[in-house]
Amino acid sequence: AQSVTQLGSHVSVSEGALVLLRCNYSSSVPPYLFWYVQYPNQGLQLLLKYTSAATLVKGINGFEAEFKKSETSFHLTKPSAHMSDAAEYFCAVSESGAGSYQLTFGKGTKLSVIP
Amino acid sequence: NAGVMQNPRHLVRRRGQEARLRCSPVKGHSHVYWYRQLPEEGLKFMVYLQKENIIDESGMPKERFSAEFPKEGPSILRIQQVVRGDSAAYFCASSLQEGNTEAFFGQGTRLTVV
Repeated sequence: AQSVTQLGSHVSVSEGALVLLRCNYSSSVPPYLFWYVQYPNQGLQLLLKYTSAATLVKGINGFEAEFKKSETSFHLTKPSAHMSDAAEYFCAVSESGAGSYQLTFGKGTKLSVIP
Repeated sequence: NAGVMQNPRHLVRRRGQEARLRCSPVKGHSHVYWYRQLPEEGLKFMVYLQKENIIDESGMPKERFSAEFPKEGPSILRIQQVVRGDSAAYFCASSLQEGNTEAFFGQGTRLTVV
């Protein structure tokens, strides 16, 4: 079984400040890890994914995440927040291999950016 | 992800009615996944379908819910005799090959049961 824990259901940052959204996972097999963004009344857009290649993954819109196996973490960061980053962010995990089609999501973190 | 089309975007049903949610995958994609998002929750996997086949329905409630992906036409998620607890956002995703590493999500259908 797999699970995802996102610490902090709401995070507020000032425009231009560092964004750090935390994600810890549990998986009995090597995982694939994902970050998705959801704007109000929109679907999910893939920001980035880890699929057992480089542990530091760069995504769209300046976001990146680092897979740390020892900490079972996959935190999402962006050096400088922009107003357009305000959205809800979901971390997700799937099995690598045959079970990779089934994503398990965290409950999400709503990011607010203060001007 | 704009290639996955879901309709309707919003659906209101009275308790006991049927709800039909449609998902047209990205052109050429033959793998479809349905997820449900309850308020204040993350998305939960419901079912994985390929053309004319249900591959994994382990996340589907045992009663009232069914899904299909016919040879022609969109995938359909059907909820019979809806109850208030079915109110949620239902998302469809599609991929060219099996696996979510390259899956694209639709904008979802928000079902409200009154």
